[in-house]
Amino acid sequence: NAGVTQTPKFQVLKTGQSMTLQCAQDMNHNSMYWYRQDPGMGLRLIYYSASEGTTDKGEVPNGYNVSRLNKREFSLRLESAAPSQTSVYFCASSGIDETEAFFGQGTRLTVV
Amino acid sequence: KQEVTQIPAALSVPEGENLVLNCSFTDSAIYNLQWFRQDPGKGLTSLLLIQSSQREQTSGRLNASLDKSSGRSTLYIAASQPGDSATYLCAVYADTSGSRLTFGEGTQLTVNP
Repeated sequence: NAGVTQTPKFQVLKTGQSMTLQCAQDMNHNSMYWYRQDPGMGLRLIYYSASEGTTDKGEVPNGYNVSRLNKREFSLRLESAAPSQTSVYFCASSGIDETEAFFGQGTRLTVV
Repeated sequence: KQEVTQIPAALSVPEGENLVLNCSFTDSAIYNLQWFRQDPGKGLTSLLLIQSSQREQTSGRLNASLDKSSGRSTLYIAASQPGDSATYLCAVYADTSGSRLTFGEGTQLTVNP
């Protein structure tokens, strides 16, 4: 099983450029999440989607937008990248009723 | 706001030792709790999920317990091995929204041969 697939794995952007991080899951999960992980800060929730067609802000949503394209796919967009958005980004998904969360392998983003 | 704390932040032990990692959370109204492992430069791998109605879960040399009333969980690793070296993260699901995971900052474990 593929589980949660993120693309790309690595990306370097210049300040002000835009890009979209893609995430897809094949486990028929309702909930999907985007996190960023920074040294000393742990994993912080950017946005999540509890079901197809709904999205909600997490702890650090500024500078990001998301789209729950369908049940499988949840994308994260940086409209105008800033050096402060240099981080490792993780997508995750989970089912309803207390089922466990599964994570993708991450996207390492550097903004110069 | 739910806060999750993991103690210690780092732990170094000799091979073969039994060890306990701690996780505490401020809001006891959690849906469930999950322990993950993260190797350097990699994603998170799920180790154990404890549902709100359970008190513990076991998988091989790992045993996780949950005490919702006191806001605590422990991960017990028996007979540690160098391959256990990684960062261990606990995460709780909020009860009210049902869908939000809050993470601790993790415990970095090193098992020395």
